[in-house]
Amino acid sequence: GENVEQHPSTLSVQEGDSAVIKCTYSDSASNYFPWYKQELGKRPQLIIDIRSNVGEKKDQRIAVTLNKTAKHFSLHITETQPEDSAVYFCAASIGGNTPLVFGKGTRLSVIA
Amino acid sequence: GAVVSQHPSWVICKSGTSVKIECRSLDFQATTMFWYRQFPKQSLMLMATSNEGSKATYEQGVEKDKFLINHASLTLSTLTVTSAHPEDSSFYICSATQGGGGYTFGSGTRLTVV
Repeated sequence: GENVEQHPSTLSVQEGDSAVIKCTYSDSASNYFPWYKQELGKRPQLIIDIRSNVGEKKDQRIAVTLNKTAKHFSLHITETQPEDSAVYFCAASIGGNTPLVFGKGTRLSVIA
Repeated sequence: GAVVSQHPSWVICKSGTSVKIECRSLDFQATTMFWYRQFPKQSLMLMATSNEGSKATYEQGVEKDKFLINHASLTLSTLTVTSAHPEDSSFYICSATQGGGGYTFGSGTRLTVV
């Protein structure tokens, strides 16, 4: 089955700097790659996603890149703000009615 | 957008009792519901996949007789934790999909077994 690896497990950045979180996946059939932000005790919140027919997607300060050949995808947050501090999860699925498989998460701390 | 309502949001139960968690899709028909468990400072781990009207498929290591899943309609799926023990204390969260790559999460249930 699918295996998703995520790095780093923790990340501290100064306010205004960029943050990059990387994930790799094992199943070449995976075609949907969302990123979630989760605050303590709450549901994961979708912040951006990308499908396998696209190499890059951007939404304001957040961007995701996908390299299908290498089977890895990354989340880029620019101009970080203290409210970006949270746990971020990458995930992958092969679509249809199949489940998301999550990475282990990255705890991002943005220091003011 | 699609909404999944999950109840209760938190529950405390005594060891040996059973607890039922409900997830309802409010404005769409959820052909498939996924149940995840999340321990503190860990990731979401898939417990089982259920399709309306059929038996759930459990992940390896998840006891199907302990975690009973019912998906009797396209808008309701339930997870019953039977004979709960302290090690079952966790955050349980459902996720529904209509297919097509979109997933909607419930708000989660914090279960504490004392």
